[in-house]
Amino acid sequence: DSGVTQTPKHLITATGQRVTLRCSPRSGDLSVYWYQQSLDQGLQFLIQYYNGEERAKGNILERFSAQQFPDLHSELNLSSLELGDSALYFCASSNPQGTNTGELFFGEGSRLTVL
Amino acid sequence: AQSVSQHNHHVILSEAASLELGCNYSYGGTVNLFWYVQYPGQHLQLLLKYFSGDPLVKGIKGFEAEFIKSKFSFNLRKPSVQWSDTAEYFCAVLMDSSYKLIFGSGTRLLVRP
Repeated sequence: DSGVTQTPKHLITATGQRVTLRCSPRSGDLSVYWYQQSLDQGLQFLIQYYNGEERAKGNILERFSAQQFPDLHSELNLSSLELGDSALYFCASSNPQGTNTGELFFGEGSRLTVL
Repeated sequence: AQSVSQHNHHVILSEAASLELGCNYSYGGTVNLFWYVQYPGQHLQLLLKYFSGDPLVKGIKGFEAEFIKSKFSFNLRKPSVQWSDTAEYFCAVLMDSSYKLIFGSGTRLLVRP
């Protein structure tokens, strides 16, 4: 158990819909990262938050957005869903000092299926 | 563009065979290097890491990796694999203390008993 909690574990929805994925980081971790894992794209970095502020952005589509709340949990919002958005979405958190060593602790992922 | 390449996408070995998984990155500056492992049905977890110092680093479960700066490589090795090593292995690179940890595409390892 990494200490990172993601909900829901599985989600099935239709094209055009909107979903919200939730992540609770390890206790004390200030940074939250979102990654998308798909068969053809591998593990793609989407976005990182540190203590409520966006810190880095990767290959995140405009239809996707994220935020980190004062209690440090984070949500990833995916809208106008397309078939190609079907993937495993991982959340990760990092060490409590917020220094970026790259050592991340991953949740078990949320598997999104868009039909 | 900065990238991380894992050339072996699927590897099949018999137990007790030796393992070497390749990882190369394209970046000329300072890097922190990692191998993560994802066992079937589980989350990614850190196998080993290199920040500085001895380029040969040892991780959990008998794994080790060698950083060769001149080759921009960080290959993962294990002298004798076990069936329980069946998993997907990801190389990851943090470039110049940026905030983006970039992952390779992963290598699926199947160890036959």
